[in-house]
Amino acid sequence: KNQVEQSPQSLIILEGKNCTLQCNYTVSPFSNLRWYKQDTGRGPVSLTIMTFSENTKSNGRYTATLDADTKQSSLHITASQLSDSASYICVVAWRTSYDKVIFGPGTSLSVIP
Amino acid sequence: NAGVTQTPKFRVLKTGQSMTLLCAQDMNHEYMYWYRQDPGMGLRLIHYSVGEGTTAKGEVPDGYNVSRLKKQNFLLGLESAAPSQTSVYFCASRGRNTEAFFGQGTRLTVV
Repeated sequence: KNQVEQSPQSLIILEGKNCTLQCNYTVSPFSNLRWYKQDTGRGPVSLTIMTFSENTKSNGRYTATLDADTKQSSLHITASQLSDSASYICVVAWRTSYDKVIFGPGTSLSVIP
Repeated sequence: NAGVTQTPKFRVLKTGQSMTLLCAQDMNHEYMYWYRQDPGMGLRLIHYSVGEGTTAKGEVPDGYNVSRLKKQNFLLGLESAAPSQTSVYFCASRGRNTEAFFGQGTRLTVV
């Protein structure tokens, strides 16, 4: 069964600290993996997208890694800011006639001063 | 540049009532999607469209209908609202080689 799991479910960190969010998936055949940020009451916004051949992608203070062999991805946030407080969603696409995707349940991150 | 716009943003319905949610995009995207988001769960695909005049069922299509009469608009209809359809609904669109862009969401409560 195609699934996307994320951990932890929620996380609280102090402003300025780093953190890493995890995503495990069982989607096959794999097409790409995306990380989205969703602020409360808003729609998700794309942070990174990685295909099978890419194992790291950065977007400012966000760095995503992908291990297609173990089917794991992580999102590392450096020097966190209060504005990083949001839900982070891992989305995995598998290859069909068009890309179908599965959304993970998300990790809720709270950055406190 | 509005991107993806959803209307309305909030709505309260009584059980059995019908309504239509409108999604409009101004990026000339081919693909459009309707999702629902429930607490503790990932977004789930209701219906999608790969082009004007075409629609297809997603993961949770029961109780919903859609239409894509114009390329820029994707309508989601609830025929007879049920409390189980209380959710936040998101529309998204993307081009053939672009990332998906999401609307701001519609919070629907069915009482």
